[in-house]
Amino acid sequence: EAQVTQNPRYLITVTGKKLTVTCSQNMNHEYMSWYRQDPGLGLRQIYYSMNVEVTDKGDVPEGYKVSRKEKRNFPLILESPSPNQTSLYFCASSPTGPILQETQYFGPGTRLLVL
Amino acid sequence: GDSVTQMEGPVTLSEEAFLTINCTYTATGYPSLFWYVQYPGEGLQLLLKATKADDKGSNKGFEATYRKETTSFHLEKGSVQVSDSAVYFCALSDVLFGNEKLTFGTGTRLTIIP
Repeated sequence: EAQVTQNPRYLITVTGKKLTVTCSQNMNHEYMSWYRQDPGLGLRQIYYSMNVEVTDKGDVPEGYKVSRKEKRNFPLILESPSPNQTSLYFCASSPTGPILQETQYFGPGTRLLVL
Repeated sequence: GDSVTQMEGPVTLSEEAFLTINCTYTATGYPSLFWYVQYPGEGLQLLLKATKADDKGSNKGFEATYRKETTSFHLEKGSVQVSDSAVYFCALSDVLFGNEKLTFGTGTRLTIIP
């Protein structure tokens, strides 16, 4: 089944404790992206990647890191989480990116609480 | 920069009512426009899209027409069902600036009452 998977689905952590949220797609998509969803703000892009070893900042990259060593994986890293990073996070992928009007496929989301 | 403005929710309708969710946008290039739907506990799914002015996207009884003159992409459905209860997001991607991301509106929560 074609899908985007994220792990973990739920995570409670404390300020400053490094964490990684994994994202994997099995559709051989070139483009991958991370969003955070907050009430009243909709979805905002954190980082995106056009292909392996190519990443770029979205609208709200501060406090996050990403890497794209393999085509299928795009982990989101919080080196030192803070309470303002409490949010619902979505990973998405598409064959070549929204600029070609292709559908983006979203993962199920990771709900993060930073105490 | 690019932006998307959606009508504020939540919206509550009775089953079989007519639905309109307003969406207007600001973009400097030639955006493509999308409606995504998020069912409870799930990720977003593409509902429909339109890539140029006067295009109409349609899916599952929903329709939206790309109106360049009014910079709008309103979502409509003639007869809603309980299963349409979800959060709806309007979004755009701007081709001119090579902007490789979607810009989303804040979402409109729709609840359909039997």
